[in-house]
Amino acid sequence: AQSVTQLGSHVSVSEGALVLLRCNYSSSVPPYLFWYVQYPNQGLQLLLKYTSAATLVKGINGFEAEFKKSETSFHLTKPSAHMSDAAEYFCAVSIQGAQKLVFGQGTRLTINP
Amino acid sequence: EAQVTQNPRYLITVTGKKLTVTCSQNMNHEYMSWYRQDPGLGLRQIYYSMNVEVTDKGDVPEGYKVSRKEKRNFPLILESPSPNQTSLYFCASSLGLAVIGETQYFGPGTRLLVL
Repeated sequence: AQSVTQLGSHVSVSEGALVLLRCNYSSSVPPYLFWYVQYPNQGLQLLLKYTSAATLVKGINGFEAEFKKSETSFHLTKPSAHMSDAAEYFCAVSIQGAQKLVFGQGTRLTINP
Repeated sequence: EAQVTQNPRYLITVTGKKLTVTCSQNMNHEYMSWYRQDPGLGLRQIYYSMNVEVTDKGDVPEGYKVSRKEKRNFPLILESPSPNQTSLYFCASSLGLAVIGETQYFGPGTRLLVL
C-alpha cells in the first residue's frame, strides 16, 4: 500500500531564507504526487503536482518540487521565504486503482521576521 | 466562481444527535470525497463517490454515511455522533478519477465538536 511520510511536523525559517519541506513516499508503482497548502481557517489549495512529465515541477507562489525516484522523495522548496508562506503543507500521493489521495501528516511552516 | 461549499462551517452537538454536513460543487465534477483532518494524522478519507449513486468506503468509514443522489451534492451523515468524531471535515471534488492525477478541489472545512 502506498504511504507518505513528511519529515518534521514543524519547520521554522527566517524571512528570506530557503524553505525545504521533506516528503518521502512509498509506492510499488509510479505515483502521482501533490503538494497542498492550508492557510489558517481555509481549505486545502493545490501548490503543484507531479504526473510523470518533468521531474522538476514548478507551482504557485514561487514553490517547486523535484521528483527523485531513486530516493522516493518529492521535497518542496522555495528559495526565499515570505511571511505569507506561513501555513500547513501536505504532501499526498495517488496511484492507479486507489481512488483516493493518501496524505502525509502535514508540516506547519512558521516564518520568523 | 468555481467552488466547493460546505455547511455548516462550525458545529457543536451532543452525543447521539444525528447531524448532516452538506457539500456542494458547481464544477460538474464526477468524483467527490470526504476527509477528516486530525492533528498529527493528516487527512484521512472517509467515503468517496465516483458518480451519482456510486459510493464506496475510504479508510475510516465507521460511524458515517453518505449519499449521492445528484451530481453536485454529497452530504455526510453522522447517525449517532460520538466524541471521537470531533474533527475537521473536508469535502473535495475532481473532474475525473483522482487516480490519474486530477487535482482535487477542497471545500473550506467544517469543524465539528461532539460533547
